[in-house]
Amino acid sequence: EVQVVQSGGGLVHPGGSLRLSCAASGFTVSGDVMYWIRQAPGKGLEWVSSFYSGALDGTTYYTDSVRGRFIFSRDNSKNMLFLQMNNLRVEDTSVYYCGSRAAWGQGVLVTVSS
Amino acid sequence: QAVVTQEPSLTVSPGGTVTLTCGSNTGDVTSGHYPYWFQQRPGQAPRTLIHDTSNKHSWTPARFSGSLLGGKAALTLSGAQPDDEADYYCLLFYNGVAVFGGGTQLTVL
Repeated sequence: EVQVVQSGGGLVHPGGSLRLSCAASGFTVSGDVMYWIRQAPGKGLEWVSSFYSGALDGTTYYTDSVRGRFIFSRDNSKNMLFLQMNNLRVEDTSVYYCGSRAAWGQGVLVTVSS
Repeated sequence: QAVVTQEPSLTVSPGGTVTLTCGSNTGDVTSGHYPYWFQQRPGQAPRTLIHDTSNKHSWTPARFSGSLLGGKAALTLSGAQPDDEADYYCLLFYNGVAVFGGGTQLTVL
C-alpha cells in the first residue's frame, strides 16, 4: 500500500525552529518529485517546496516567503523526507502536508505564536 | 509570482456535468505547466486526482478527466455524485516554482 505518514509539528514561538518528517512506504521518495504544501486555517492550499528526482535529482524549489528559512531534505536510506523550518513567523501557521503524485500524508499542524 | 485563477464556486446537479477551469495571468496554460488537480473534502487531506494535465491515478474515478481548454487547464466531471462535493484546487508549475489556484468549492445539488 502506498502511504505517507507525517510527524513533527506543534507550537513554536516566532523566530523558533521546527523539523517536520515524512515517512513513505509502498514507493521510493527518490523515484518521484516530492512536495510540501500547507494550508492556513480556513484558507486554500499553498505550495511550499519541491524536491526533484531523476535528471534533476536533488534540485529543490521554494516559494518566495520561505526561501532562505526552510530546507527540504531527503534520506534515501530511510525513505524519508524532512522540512527544516527556521526563523518561523506567525504567518507560517498552517497544516503542512508532504507527498507526491502517488500519495499525501495526513498533515501536521504547525502553530507559530507567542 | 504568477497568479492562478479558478472559479470560487460551482454547482452541479447529481448526474450532471461540470467543468472547472484553471487560468494563469502569465498567458495560456500549456502542458509545460504540468497542471495538477487536487480534491479536498472537509476535514481531510488533499489527494491528487490528475497530474500532468490529464493523467489519472488508480483511485481517480473515471468520471473525472483533465484537459487543456481555451488556454486554461480544465477538470471535467461527468455524472456527478454526491460524494464529489468538495474543494478542488489546481496547481501549475513555472520553471520549478509552483502556484495553487484559490480553489473551487463544488456543490452537488
